[in-house]
Amino acid sequence: AAGVIQSPRHLIKEKRETATLKCYPIPRHDTVYWYQQGPGQDPQFLISFYEKMQSDKGSIPDRFSAQQFSDYHSELNMSSLELGDSALYFCASSPRMGTSGDTQYFGPGTRLTVL
Amino acid sequence: AQKITQTQPGMFVQEKEAVTLDCTYDTSDQSYGLFWYKQPSSGEMIFLIYQGSYDEQNATEGRYSLNFQKARKSANLVISASQLGDSAMYFCAMREGTGGFKTIFGAGTRLFVKA
Repeated sequence: AAGVIQSPRHLIKEKRETATLKCYPIPRHDTVYWYQQGPGQDPQFLISFYEKMQSDKGSIPDRFSAQQFSDYHSELNMSSLELGDSALYFCASSPRMGTSGDTQYFGPGTRLTVL
Repeated sequence: AQKITQTQPGMFVQEKEAVTLDCTYDTSDQSYGLFWYKQPSSGEMIFLIYQGSYDEQNATEGRYSLNFQKARKSANLVISASQLGDSAMYFCAMREGTGGFKTIFGAGTRLFVKA
């Protein structure tokens, strides 16, 4: 079965640079979520999109922005990168909106290292 | 406010035995969903099992079952017949009800299966 695709899988950036992470949801999934997982920590919800509109927002820094496109893929844009942004970034998708039972299926993650 | 508590940072279990991973949660919402995810050392996040707050039966998925005690606000994961491949980090997560997209995770429990 098709899974969530994330690219790139690994990314190394310098401080103050920008990064763009891409997420391609499972076909027919219209909701996308972004999470940040620091070393040894649990995933922290950043932001979600349903039908190309932002649906919920968590602890996403102002330096980060995201959007969902007409083909439902999503991009997370990160500017003025800091050392503390080094983490595993997950994208997840689910097939419906707004019900507590929608299972989120996670992509393999993008490991971002900021030097 | 929502909160997930996993009090066992690490657990050991003998191969072929059953193990229970604890999870308690706190929410003021009547409608919510509870999830368990497995994260092997490779880093991906694998969905295991889901329990809805209105579900009267405990969820089961193969060797995984969820011991849901609503009055005690607990949602423990039971893994039967442990296998070496079950060694991983396990996260309990909750998503609140209608219209909510944000999911919060517990700190996780690292399970070690001994041969």
